[in-house]
Amino acid sequence: RKEVEQDPGPFNVPEGATVAFNCTYSNSASQSFFWYRQDCRKEPKLLMSVYSSGNEDGRFTAQLNRASQYISLLIRDSKLSDSATYLCVTYIGTGGGNKLTFGTGTQLKVEL
Amino acid sequence: ETGVTQTPRHLVMGMTNKKSLKCEQHLGHNAMYWYKQSAKKPLELMFVYNFKEQTENNSVPSRFSPECPNSSHLFLHLHTLQPEDSALYLCASSHSGGLDYGYTFGSGTRLTVV
Repeated sequence: RKEVEQDPGPFNVPEGATVAFNCTYSNSASQSFFWYRQDCRKEPKLLMSVYSSGNEDGRFTAQLNRASQYISLLIRDSKLSDSATYLCVTYIGTGGGNKLTFGTGTQLKVEL
Repeated sequence: ETGVTQTPRHLVMGMTNKKSLKCEQHLGHNAMYWYKQSAKKPLELMFVYNFKEQTENNSVPSRFSPECPNSSHLFLHLHTLQPEDSALYLCASSHSGGLDYGYTFGSGTRLTVV
């Protein structure tokens, strides 16, 4: 079983739509969670951290359910510029540098 | 610029060549990482350095040899690679303790082994 599982997509949505991505993780010791965004042939960039209470950053809302080991990302009012691959990421502190584990990513294509 | 610089951006090498990838960070971080990203696969952690000491080697073949002379610089020395080693190699850095802000990645080196 993969440590972090995501639906690879692609999710093709019209501009202005709301889209949600889900992610599950297998290691219950995971301490922190993130969503990263990766544009085609570019490096991943941190989109937002995910907190147990849920958190929002503009059009983006992230949720964490520790009991179900489930993370979600909601994007409202999609823009063409949101087209990218969204990576679900978990963190376990190892005491010697931090170890992030990445999912394979979910591809989003926002269309006119 | 992200504050993490990787060179070269692209590299084509033969299986008998020796080359090195370079990473430099200007963020005051003290942990640095090498990741490999192949098509259709998640990023794979290769090595972790914390205060220039290697703290993790994720069963990486010996044809990949990392070097961390100080907390700002990280190298990946390559020799006798195989075609399946062709991938995007990403360097990242972070603070050691606590991870509120995740990693900062460099732009990567796209490696092709012929």
